[in-house]
Amino acid sequence: NAGVTQTPKFRVLKTGQSMTLLCAQDMNHEYMYWYRQDPGMGLRLIHYSVGEGTTAKGEVPDGYNVSRLKKQNFLLGLESAAPSQTSVYFCASSYLVPPTGELFFGEGSRLTVL
Amino acid sequence: AQSVSQHNHHVILSEAASLELGCNYSYGGTVNLFWYVQYPGQHLQLLLKYFSGDPLVKGIKGFEAEFIKSKFSFNLRKPSVQWSDTAEYFCAVNEGLTGGGNKLTFGTGTQLKVEL
Repeated sequence: NAGVTQTPKFRVLKTGQSMTLLCAQDMNHEYMYWYRQDPGMGLRLIHYSVGEGTTAKGEVPDGYNVSRLKKQNFLLGLESAAPSQTSVYFCASSYLVPPTGELFFGEGSRLTVL
Repeated sequence: AQSVSQHNHHVILSEAASLELGCNYSYGGTVNLFWYVQYPGQHLQLLLKYFSGDPLVKGIKGFEAEFIKSKFSFNLRKPSVQWSDTAEYFCAVNEGLTGGGNKLTFGTGTQLKVEL
């Protein structure tokens, strides 16, 4: 029973490099989200998706792109990494109906940008 | 936009002590409220949630929270903490998203350390 799986779990990048974080869920959830977690700031929503083929911006979308080509996968891309993007990234998913609000989280991906 | 305030950033307790973590939110309408817990090295897990009805909500592992609408608060409590409760605790409120979905606005978290 995997739930929400993120890869990779750790990554170190140099400024200007690009990378993609993969999130996969096996719960047939419609909604998927990417959050970043920074000390003293809680979790902030980067982008989200309300279904396959759809994406939308959250609170802090700048510098990130996302794609939801398949219902079970939600990709987060950094085209040109910056030190300010050093963070722990969490993917989450939730049901369409009812809108209970409960999010199921992955284990996180720790990204360091040098 | 919503905001969620958690008053205590770091709390240190001895085993068997009682716990109360404060949480206040800004939204004045109907709210769905949550407490999530993040154990060291693990992902966030739902501790408890409030949608409607009885304002005293019971969650897993002996935790409970009380929704007080007049105070915009949703404080987390546990009568007797255990060493295994050492974790970071996040309060969150559901705003809803344009087009559907659930946008949870999180507080900054409270790091709880329980000492033996």
